[in-house]
Amino acid sequence: GAVVSQHPSWVICKSGTSVKIECRSLDFQATTMFWYRQFPKQSLMLMATSNEGSKATYEQGVEKDKFLINHASLTLSTLTVTSAHPEDSSFYICSANPLRQRNTEAFFGQGTRLTVV
Amino acid sequence: LAKTTQPISMDSYEGQEVNITCSHNNIATNDYITWYQQFPSQGPRFIIQGYKTKVTNEVASLFIPADRKSSTLSLPRVSLSDTAVYYCLVGIDSGGYNKLIFGAGTRLAVHP
Repeated sequence: GAVVSQHPSWVICKSGTSVKIECRSLDFQATTMFWYRQFPKQSLMLMATSNEGSKATYEQGVEKDKFLINHASLTLSTLTVTSAHPEDSSFYICSANPLRQRNTEAFFGQGTRLTVV
Repeated sequence: LAKTTQPISMDSYEGQEVNITCSHNNIATNDYITWYQQFPSQGPRFIIQGYKTKVTNEVASLFIPADRKSSTLSLPRVSLSDTAVYYCLVGIDSGGYNKLIFGAGTRLAVHP
């Protein structure tokens, strides 16, 4: 199947700094990618839809100035957590669909564990 | 918005068949039902997808009644490695792509 890769797999940063997480579709192009956040023992929460060449669409309650999303190419979307604080510590996951069709299989990255100290 | 409801947790033993039922009363005519599996500290992985009746692949079967208001994921002869969280999803269109909204999922624990 198609492969979505995230980097880094884990990161520890100091409070107040910014962290960038990359999501790449390795063997297909994706004009749209999705970013999720998952806290321990909880489900995935959709944060935003990343659109290649245009602004991301954020879900209600997600601060767009806090979580900057850039989708500069057909294979790369980045999520930057700005001025990170301990409450931003979470598991961040991206996904993409290889085919621009409804109801097709979505492929997920392996996730990025962010710890803010 | 098609919301899904699943049992929070289930327990089983190795070698048994496990059936996880999901309710989706407001499913749209064009929506498929998709199941994902997630292990700790990993991204979800696709298991199976269906629209109606029965779908079977090498790892699972999916049963969908005629009214499509529910579906049942069947895992034959589970092993310890099937311990995971299982999510039932009904896609939400977003410009031609599925914007997947995850429910709470079912935490399956397989015991020796």
